[in-house]
Amino acid sequence: AQTVTQSQPEMSVQEAETVTLSCTYDTSENNYYLFWYKQPPSRQMILVIRQEAYKQQNATENRFSVNFQKAAKSFSLKISDSQLGDTAMYFCAFMKHGINSGGGADGLTFGKGTHLIIQP
Amino acid sequence: IAGITQAPTSQILAAGRRMTLRCTQDMRHNAMYWYRQDLGLGLRLIHYSNTAGTTGKGEVPDGYSVSRANTDDFPLTLASAVPSQTSVYFCASSDRAAGKLFFGSGTQLSVL
Repeated sequence: AQTVTQSQPEMSVQEAETVTLSCTYDTSENNYYLFWYKQPPSRQMILVIRQEAYKQQNATENRFSVNFQKAAKSFSLKISDSQLGDTAMYFCAFMKHGINSGGGADGLTFGKGTHLIIQP
Repeated sequence: IAGITQAPTSQILAAGRRMTLRCTQDMRHNAMYWYRQDLGLGLRLIHYSNTAGTTGKGEVPDGYSVSRANTDDFPLTLASAVPSQTSVYFCASSDRAAGKLFFGSGTQLSVL
């Protein structure tokens, strides 16, 4: 089974600063996906960024980028030029690649989340 | 618009009552999941289904049941609601071969 750990329950930074959210995971799988999801007060789960484990290049989406260290099983999210609208819960998630033919739901695991507050 | 539809959006329920949360997807994903979200505990898996006709228990299955009669629908039933089941419930589906994950908009359930 996989585990995902987000060690920062809450973080607070000033607007325009850069912030990094940490995520570590444990797995014996070699091929998988990693995600960062944002959940604003509306409670909608919004995909921020996605990384395929077999790709060495770190994924980027505008102000959002990841530092994916496969050997260290680390997947941190960097938010540059933070904005007030970035205030939200952020969840790190792990998903096994491929068809689940072996039974079980261990293909999808979430961290407990980091509450990010952007101060004006 | 392709995606997952959850209903109701919110519900207040008396303890002891039966309640079914509905979840429908139109993406033909094989895998579907039900999570509950509680402050400080993140998303915890209640039940899952890897394909139509099969279901399995997650981390917190007690007091809940599911069925998967077809690919599109995955209802979650609380047979006799208790206050500890007050939570936000999310339905999700995944296409693991493509590495895609989708969420419904959630159901806020309050059991009094």
